[in-house]
Amino acid sequence: GESVGLHLPTLSVQEGDNSIINCAYSNSASDYFIWYKQESGKGPQFIIDIRSNMDKRQGQRVTVLLNKTVKHLSLQIAATQPGDSAVYFCAENIRGGSNYKLTFGKGTLLTVNP
Amino acid sequence: NAGVTQTPKFQVLKTGQSMTLQCAQDMNHEYMSWYRQDPGMGLRLIHYSVGAGITDQGEVPNGYNVSRSTTEDFPLRLLSAAPSQTSVYFCASSYSELDRGVSPLHFGNGTRLTVT
Repeated sequence: GESVGLHLPTLSVQEGDNSIINCAYSNSASDYFIWYKQESGKGPQFIIDIRSNMDKRQGQRVTVLLNKTVKHLSLQIAATQPGDSAVYFCAENIRGGSNYKLTFGKGTLLTVNP
Repeated sequence: NAGVTQTPKFQVLKTGQSMTLQCAQDMNHEYMSWYRQDPGMGLRLIHYSVGAGITDQGEVPNGYNVSRSTTEDFPLRLLSAAPSQTSVYFCASSYSELDRGVSPLHFGNGTRLTVT
């Protein structure tokens, strides 16, 4: 079946470096994508979202890129800080559905070394 | 503004016991849902509700019941707990897609349930 997946299960970076977390999706009907951050012992926290009519969206220190041609989503974190250490999930919503049918990837663990 | 509040934070049950996981949100969100999170499985949808009085099944509904009598509350009931239900349970809410378009889910901090 179609699902959201991640290229890298773990990512280790030095403090101050930029981080890139990748996500592949296979459902061409997906029209809305979300990145979540989950710290240990907490629930997923919304970071940024993007709709399929956009290629790029920027937030504070974060940028999401969407490449519909290869069905690829990435989250870029600028000047990564120790507080960015967490598991990052991407999620997709299939066009015609609703956000109660969000499909989540299994997550990438980001570790920031001081 | 508390967001999504889940209680209890931790719970240990014996096989066959029943319990209710509580979830409340104060954001006037129409949509509420329950997910379970297991290692290597990601977040899986159990049940959801698009408004008071309306509930529907998600991906893994067996062994769980829900009701939605108010906009604010969405309790999850385990009628006869099984070890396979050991997991972390998350409640999430958002605005209705019909009213405002697709919007991100807001999650609570979870209930960690162990069934022995």
